[in-house]
Formats: sequence, structure tokens, C-alpha cells
Amino acid sequence: DTAVSQTPKYLVTQMGNDKSIKCEQNLGHDTMYWYKQDSKKFLKIMFSYNNKELIINETVPNRFSPKSPDKAHLNLHINSLELGDSAVYFCASSQGRGSGFFGPGTRLTVL
Amino acid sequence: GENVEQHPSTLSVQEGDSAVIKCTYSDSASNYFPWYKQELGKGPQLIIDIRSNVGEKKDQRIAVTLNKTAKHFSLHITETQPEDSAVYFCAASKRNSGGGADGLTFGKGTHLIIQP
Repeated sequence: DTAVSQTPKYLVTQMGNDKSIKCEQNLGHDTMYWYKQDSKKFLKIMFSYNNKELIINETVPNRFSPKSPDKAHLNLHINSLELGDSAVYFCASSQGRGSGFFGPGTRLTVL
Repeated sequence: GENVEQHPSTLSVQEGDSAVIKCTYSDSASNYFPWYKQELGKGPQLIIDIRSNVGEKKDQRIAVTLNKTAKHFSLHITETQPEDSAVYFCAASKRNSGGGADGLTFGKGTHLIIQP
């Protein structure tokens, strides 16, 4: 059983388009996150949601918006995509002070 | 905010030898230090973690040490095997006063290569 799942695995789109990435966790965790991994493999947190409240936003452009319909889901919406948004996006979840479990990633390519 | 430095960026060792990866952090309030292994095309996978009230933790061939005073922590892999080849990330985080969870601040990763 997959603990943290993301769809799609690959996403290729044109500049200016709007796209979404979905994330679901079946671990019963209370906090979910989105991370961005750039071409140099550097991982940086974008958002976290705890009990449906945004508690971190690390200077991410407002073109990016997380949406959490319930505790098990945290989707990432991106408007007006730019070339620099090309990266691998990872969803993760944790329970309180527990470890973060990462999803398999979504490779976004903006042409 | 927190800043995590990780060295070396690439480490090549002979199979069977030991590998050591070192990280330093800047925020003395950080209290949780996990290590992740990332294989090609996959998400990071937690391999070991340590909390600030512990100085050392071991799990089979993997161990982590933490020096709170110096604000550095290290990953030690003994008897390395070809399947240990991957990118390893250290990370640090702290829990805010409200009891919520902060995200992880990652080091820039170490590409570990095990030579047969």
C-alpha cells in the first residue's frame, strides 16, 4: 500500500498554463507538505498544512496555492506557469514530531 | 531562518569501507535531525533520525551522531555495499511553540558512490 501518493508522475506543459498536482496520504498524519527539488537536487520546503491550516509559506510566489480538502489530501495549484517552475515537486506528510514520509515526486517540465 | 551545510558533495569509497557525511546547522532551536536517502527517480526515504536529547543513534550499519554545542551532526555508514550508492540528505527542523510541525531544512546532498 502506498503511504504518500502523487499524481501525475510527469507533467509537461506550456508557459502560461495553469496546472494542478494531487497528493494523498493514507498514514493518518496531521501535517502535509510540498517541497520543490531543483535541477541541482536542492530540496526546499514550499508549504505545510496542519489540520487544514497553512502554517508555513516559504516566500513562494502567489502563483502557487495549496488546497487541502481534508486531512488526507494536499493539492498544489500553479497558475501562469513559468520556465523556472520546472522541477520535481514532492509531497510529504508527518505526524507531530514524527518523521516526514515523501511521495514519489512529480516532474514538471514547462516549455 | 535555519541554514544547513552538508559536506562533501560527492563521496567515493571502496565497497566494504566506511563513509562519513557531515552537516552543520545554524539555528540552536532546531531539535530534530533526520537523514534521507534518495535513489534515482524516487522520493527521499528516511533512513535514520536523531533528536536533540540524544548524542548518538545506531541502526545496523548506519549511525548518526549529534554535537549540539558545535551544532553539527554526522552520518556514518559501515561496511558499504553497492546498494548504498545514492544521494544522501541531512535535514534539520524545530517545533514551534504552538506544538505544530515545521518543515525540514535540507542540506544540499551528498552523492555517495560505492566502488566495487
